[in-house]
Amino acid sequence: KQEVTQIPAALSVPEGENLVLNCSFTDSAIYNLQWFRQDPGKGLTSLLLIQSSQREQTSGRLNASLDKSSGRSTLYIAASQPGDSATYLCAVSGNAGNMLTFGGGTRLMVKP
Amino acid sequence: GAGVSQSPSNKVTEKGKDVELRCDPISGHTALYWYRQRLGQGLEFLIYFQGNSAPDKSGLPSDRFSAERTGESVSTLTIQRTQQEDSAVYLCASSLSASGWATYEQFFGPGTRLTVL
Repeated sequence: KQEVTQIPAALSVPEGENLVLNCSFTDSAIYNLQWFRQDPGKGLTSLLLIQSSQREQTSGRLNASLDKSSGRSTLYIAASQPGDSATYLCAVSGNAGNMLTFGGGTRLMVKP
Repeated sequence: GAGVSQSPSNKVTEKGKDVELRCDPISGHTALYWYRQRLGQGLEFLIYFQGNSAPDKSGLPSDRFSAERTGESVSTLTIQRTQQEDSAVYLCASSLSASGWATYEQFFGPGTRLTVL
């Protein structure tokens, strides 16, 4: 059974810092990995999707990497802003149907 | 529509009552997923549809839970004889397809917060 772990569970940084969020998964036979942000009381916003054949994806200040063989992904956020404060979730799919298995999330606070 | 929509946004019900939660996926998306997020816990998969068929119902917690989808569009998740442990945020997502080896991004709705008293 696939298990996804995110470290740290919570993170507080001053505005402007670069930061890295970590995600690990136990079964390397995945189709893709997706990073989301969740704001309080709201649904999930997709940030980046990395196919299993890819090593990284970039969108603006966000860069996600994938090392499938070691079961790890990182989400790098450059020049963090208070508006980046949210819970960040990683999820993997590896079954027919592409259902997602989620990590527990990292709760990020960026202080002005 | 522009995104996935869900209704109602909030539902408060009494233990033992039945509830229906609705999801409208992005137009043209053939795959639709239901997930649940209980307070302090991670998201867990419930069921998915490819078209109007549900190939995998393994995540449904009990036979009190059922779901259907019609016209390859709207889906309804029904919970019968609700229990307090059913209290959670129910999230719906859609993607272009769930079939074959191609994998597509899932887009989520805002969720329905269910409270069972």
